Amino acid sequence: DGGITQSPKYLFRKEGQNVTLSCEQNLNHDAMYWYRQDPGQGLRLIYYSQIVNDFQKGDIAEGYSVSREKKESFPLTVTSAQKNPTAFYLCASSNQGYNEQFFGPGTRLTVL
Amino acid sequence: DAKTTQPPSMDCAEGRAANLPCNHSTISGNEYVYWYRQIHSQGPQYIIHGLKNNETNEMASLIITEDRKSSTLILPHATLRDTAVYYCIVRVWTNDYKLSFGAGTTVTVRA
Repeated sequence: DGGITQSPKYLFRKEGQNVTLSCEQNLNHDAMYWYRQDPGQGLRLIYYSQIVNDFQKGDIAEGYSVSREKKESFPLTVTSAQKNPTAFYLCASSNQGYNEQFFGPGTRLTVL
Repeated sequence: DAKTTQPPSMDCAEGRAANLPCNHSTISGNEYVYWYRQIHSQGPQYIIHGLKNNETNEMASLIITEDRKSSTLILPHATLRDTAVYYCIVRVWTNDYKLSFGAGTTVTVRA
């Protein structure tokens, strides 16, 4: 089945630790995205990538880093510089920017 | 991208049509209206989009007013599985990659 996978579904980390969230897609999409969602809020764009080895900052990139070494993978690292990392993180992909975005099931990160 | 305004919540009876309004009074001529929904603790799901003509697919219908300042998403026969947060988004049909999600409308379908 084609789709987007994110792992793990739930993740717990101690304050001050970096953590990497996985996102893989087998839809052959060029563009991939990372969003953050806080309780009762909409999604906010962290980073996006249009092609391999290229990515751009979204609206709230501070404290996060990404890489795009393969078309199907777009991991997100939440660094210790992110002041409020506890949130629901969603990965998405699309076939070019103006087409519909397909979302993964999300990873809920809790920093203790 | 133009800002949208949606009611924070609404209820709907199962089997009835659900009409979800969205105001986008500052929309420009090259901006499309998109609708997504998010079932609790899942990723958002694309529903439909349109420019100025009414659109229909297997999930819903989108009615856009002639002046394009507002639109209505219609779920023709709501089921309990349609309970979700519905987001109305306007964006330019270019290679602009951003989707700006507001708070959306929480729709609760009741048996």
